[in-house]
Amino acid sequence: DAGVIQSPRHEVTEMGQEVTLRCKPISGHNSLFWYRQTMMRGLELLIYFNNNVPIDDSGMPEDRFSAKMPNASFSTLKIQPSEPRDSAVYFCASRFTGGEAFFGQGTRLTVV
Amino acid sequence: GEDVEQSLFLSVREGDSSVINCTYTDSSSTYLYWYKQEPGAGLQLLTYIFSNMDMKQDQRLTVLLNKKDKHLSLRIADTQTGDSAIYFCAETYGGATNKLIFGTGTLLAVQP
Repeated sequence: DAGVIQSPRHEVTEMGQEVTLRCKPISGHNSLFWYRQTMMRGLELLIYFNNNVPIDDSGMPEDRFSAKMPNASFSTLKIQPSEPRDSAVYFCASRFTGGEAFFGQGTRLTVV
Repeated sequence: GEDVEQSLFLSVREGDSSVINCTYTDSSSTYLYWYKQEPGAGLQLLTYIFSNMDMKQDQRLTVLLNKKDKHLSLRIADTQTGDSAIYFCAETYGGATNKLIFGTGTLLAVQP
C-alpha cells in the first residue's frame, strides 16, 4: 500500500476562493481523520469518520468548512470561501480501530 | 472534555537523555501513543503503550505511564542530532468511538 495519499501537496489561493483538499486512506482502515496544524494552535482535530460516517465534527472551525467521505477510499475537505487565517498544513490520517494512525504528507494551504 | 497537554520546547545536548512529558484527561484511554514529526513531513508513530502497562522500553526509547496522575513521558537515551523533531503524544478518546486526540507537540532541539 502506498500509504495515505493527500493532494495537492501545496495550494496557494486567493481569499474568497473555494479550496478542496483530497485524501485517499489506506485500504482496509475504517477511520479517517482530518487535522489542521499551525504554529499558534498546534495539531487540531477537525473531523473524523468511522466507516465513512462523520462521528465528530466539533473541531470544524465554522460553516465555511465541510468534509465528506462518499466511500471508504476517498474523502474531501472543502473551504468555501477561504480566508487568510485558514492558511495551515492540513493532514489526513487513517487507522483501523485500536491500531496505529498513519498520516499523509499533508497539504500546505496558503490563502493570500 | 478531551485535552492533551505538553511543554512546547526542550533543548538538550547530544549524548544526553531527553524526557518529554504529557498529561491527558481521558482515564478510559486504552492506548497512548508517541508520534514524531520531522520538518516538512507528516507524523510517524514512534511507540505506544497499553493503558494496563506502567513502562515500555524499545531500544533508546522508554515510555512511562502514571495512570493515577494521567501522565505520560517519553525518554530518549543518548539523544542524537537526528532526534531533533516535534514529538506528539496522543490518546484514544471515547473508547469505541476511536477518536484520536493529539497534544500540542514538543519541539526537541538537540545541540551538538
